[in-house]
Amino acid sequence: DTGVSQNPRHKITKRGQNVTFRCDPISEHNRLYWYRQTLGQGPEFLTYFQNEAQLEKSRLLSDRFSAERPKGSFSTLEIQRTEQGDSAMYLCASRGQGANSYEQYFGPGTRLTVT
Amino acid sequence: RKEVEQDPGPFNVPEGATVAFNCTYSNSASQSFFWYRQDCRKEPKLLMSVYSSGNEDGRFTAQLNRASQYISLLIRDSKLSDSATYLCVVTPNAGNNRKLIWGLGTSLAVNP
Repeated sequence: DTGVSQNPRHKITKRGQNVTFRCDPISEHNRLYWYRQTLGQGPEFLTYFQNEAQLEKSRLLSDRFSAERPKGSFSTLEIQRTEQGDSAMYLCASRGQGANSYEQYFGPGTRLTVT
Repeated sequence: RKEVEQDPGPFNVPEGATVAFNCTYSNSASQSFFWYRQDCRKEPKLLMSVYSSGNEDGRFTAQLNRASQYISLLIRDSKLSDSATYLCVVTPNAGNNRKLIWGLGTSLAVNP
């Protein structure tokens, strides 16, 4: 499968625990995005990487959230001291580097439940 | 005011009906416009891009009115398989970021 992959697909954790999600983008895509989607809402932008550089972070990304893309390939999103309000679907998307590459390709998401 | 606003829905229509979704956006500098489709508990998938000249893909027609900051999606001869949530999406800037700003989505149920 050459699409965007995310792991794990589902994560249940207790409040206060740390969790880490992984995203593997389409191999030739240098742009990578994280979004969060809660029930009944559209996705919300969290952060953007171009290669290994994190170029934009949303105000939604509190200091408990950190994202990395150390080698410009896969990315991780870590949430420290999880809260019930963190329960959501975390979506990763990647985009190619052509001037007309507008489409973002989404992975299947990681569904986080904080109990 | 939300950056992207859509019809609240849900829409319940019979097979074969024509249904129209509307969307408005607040940032007049927005650059690119899309309709995404999302099935229950799945990731969103691009349905079509939206251009000022309007564009059509089979039973789907999308239109953009930059002056009114308005986007529409028309589905003709709706099928059961069209049942999904339709999300209006814009990119607010022309730079390399092109982050997507999403509406809440409008739920469509096509009934036999």
